[in-house]
Amino acid sequence: QKEVEQDPGPLSVPEGAIVSLNCTYSNSAFQYFMWYRQYSRKGPELLMYTYSSGNKEDGRFTAQVDKSSKYISLFIRDSQPSDSATYLCAMSASNFGNEKLTFGTGTRLTIIP
Amino acid sequence: DTAVSQTPKYLVTQMGNDKSIKCEQNLGHDTMYWYKQDSKKFLKIMFSYNNKELIINETVPNRFSPKSPDKAHLNLHINSLELGDSAVYFCASSHPSGSVDTQYFGPGTRLTVL
Repeated sequence: QKEVEQDPGPLSVPEGAIVSLNCTYSNSAFQYFMWYRQYSRKGPELLMYTYSSGNKEDGRFTAQVDKSSKYISLFIRDSQPSDSATYLCAMSASNFGNEKLTFGTGTRLTIIP
Repeated sequence: DTAVSQTPKYLVTQMGNDKSIKCEQNLGHDTMYWYKQDSKKFLKIMFSYNNKELIINETVPNRFSPKSPDKAHLNLHINSLELGDSAVYFCASSHPSGSVDTQYFGPGTRLTVL
């Protein structure tokens, strides 16, 4: 079993819809949770960062972490064609000591105009 | 202004050859990384360097040898290339040292081994 599981999709939704992307994990030591967006043929870019449980909102994006269920989500409101990309969750046990990031496999999202 | 740059962008080579990929960051970061992304988009760390010192060395074949001549550069040399080495290789950097929440990725080098 992988440490981080993520449905690879692909996921296609119409423009304006709410998108829900999810990851589950098995390592209870993970405390730092990130979402990266990767456009085709580009490097990943950090979208959202959350520490421990709770919600974080940034514009149309909301990240949720439920540590009791070992489950994290990214919601995209009013989705736009420019949101079409692969979304990777990533997590780490620590933010110090050169801790490594463990990534999910990514979900490929397409927003249909 | 490119933050993390990699050369070459594409690399096509024959099995058994030796090749290098170069990475440079102009962000003043202390830590640099190499990641491998396979055809299914799975991104896995290979190495990390902090101030030219090797910090993370995942279970990577010793055909892969990273070299950090200075804080701003981290190169990856691969000996005796195999078909399974075909992937996209990403360089990244972060600051403060080893901070997981501020990793900046380069554009990637797409390696194809024939």
